[in-house]
Amino acid sequence: GQSLEQPSEVTAVEGAIVQINCTYQTSGFYGLSWYQQHDGGAPTFLSYNALDGLEETGRFSSFLSRSDSYGYLLLQELQMKDSASYFCAVSRYNQGGKLIFGQGTELSVKP
Amino acid sequence: NAGVTQTPKFRVLKTGQSMTLLCAQDMNHEYMYWYRQDPGMGLRLIHYSVGEGTTAKGEVPDGYNVSRLKKQNFLLGLESAAPSQTSVYFCASSYSLRTSGRGSSWETQYFGPGTRLLVL
Repeated sequence: GQSLEQPSEVTAVEGAIVQINCTYQTSGFYGLSWYQQHDGGAPTFLSYNALDGLEETGRFSSFLSRSDSYGYLLLQELQMKDSASYFCAVSRYNQGGKLIFGQGTELSVKP
Repeated sequence: NAGVTQTPKFRVLKTGQSMTLLCAQDMNHEYMYWYRQDPGMGLRLIHYSVGEGTTAKGEVPDGYNVSRLKKQNFLLGLESAAPSQTSVYFCASSYSLRTSGRGSSWETQYFGPGTRLLVL
């Protein structure tokens, strides 16, 4: 089988740094993606890691450790507009087109 | 460009009724997907298509059918709606080829605004 685990809720203050973790168990793991969703609207793609290490995109960074089956999304200089749900998703070898999503982490940014 | 659009935005059905959800994309993407999202849950793949005329089952395909007669459109059908199908349905599309060795391709999916379906 396969599973992804991420915290259900995270709270942080404006201007701070927050890390959202994702651990996965899946055979044939290929890559880890991150998506953001505001208020039940359309999810939007944030980041993708297929290799170990850190990928940086502006205030957002994503990290992957394949040996630990673990990744995280790092949000810096938090803004109120970052309040949203964040989903990690895994892709697998020979499963082109199939993303398996985690249940999501709801991030609340407080003033 | 409109991106990914979905029709209708909201619908109420009675148990046993049928309906079709329409998804259209204008990005010339090869792959298209239908997901459902239930409260407090992630997105679960219903069916997907890797090209015109082809479809494949996802995680939760039972009770749904799909068709992809044109590259830009992907239809999701409910033949006999059940209350368990009350959900928010998202369509998405993506390219198929990787831009570089380990870069993303179909992992970068573009989502529509969703259709909220209530089955009574």
